[in-house]
Amino acid sequence: NAGVMQNPRHLVRRRGQEARLRCSPVKGHSHVYWYRQLPEEGLKFMVYLQKENIIDESGMPKERFSAEFPKEGPSILRIQQVVRGDSAAYFCASSLRLGGSNEKLFFGSGTQLSVL
Amino acid sequence: GQQVMQIPQYQHVQEGEDFTTYCNSSTTLSNIQWYKQRPGGHPVFLIQLVKSGEVKKQKRLTFQFGEAKKNSSLHITATQTTDVGTYFCAGGETDSWGKLQFGAGTQVVVTP
Repeated sequence: NAGVMQNPRHLVRRRGQEARLRCSPVKGHSHVYWYRQLPEEGLKFMVYLQKENIIDESGMPKERFSAEFPKEGPSILRIQQVVRGDSAAYFCASSLRLGGSNEKLFFGSGTQLSVL
Repeated sequence: GQQVMQIPQYQHVQEGEDFTTYCNSSTTLSNIQWYKQRPGGHPVFLIQLVKSGEVKKQKRLTFQFGEAKKNSSLHITATQTTDVGTYFCAGGETDSWGKLQFGAGTQVVVTP
């Protein structure tokens, strides 16, 4: 009965390197959301994906950031050429979404990205 | 775009006291959800309110959704040390998929 699994929990990168954050949703959930949280701030929506489709990426920076949710395997949030300002906690959430209204989100434990 | 604001940002409470945190949206919401995040943890769903004027209770927690569906409140009675954490409201938009817009949260510290 695993919940949302994120790895790694902590990721350290030097400026200019790439960061790959993985998220496996709750079994049976086909909707994945990525949020970013800066210290003592709320969660900022980044992107919403269904299997093989990006539904809404309005919260994601246009450059260096990309996300995917392939047919098989986890969802990946990829940050290229990281900068210090990318340091944050990145949370993945999943939902079942049976209907048109909001479903509650199940959050993973997050990945804390630190850029040196 | 839609903005969700929460007040207060910080709440220091003596154990046993009551407090309320408020959430206001710049636009009418389809629903509002509340989450709790313990220090170092991840957000955990508490409740969802959908109807105008709706009130729901969970033990010592009372949640309200305003008549105009633009504001909400969380009231906790007889605060306990286990109530420590940050409480977030998240507003659902009335669009095709209902993106959740999170407030900045109310960080609650309980003094024994």
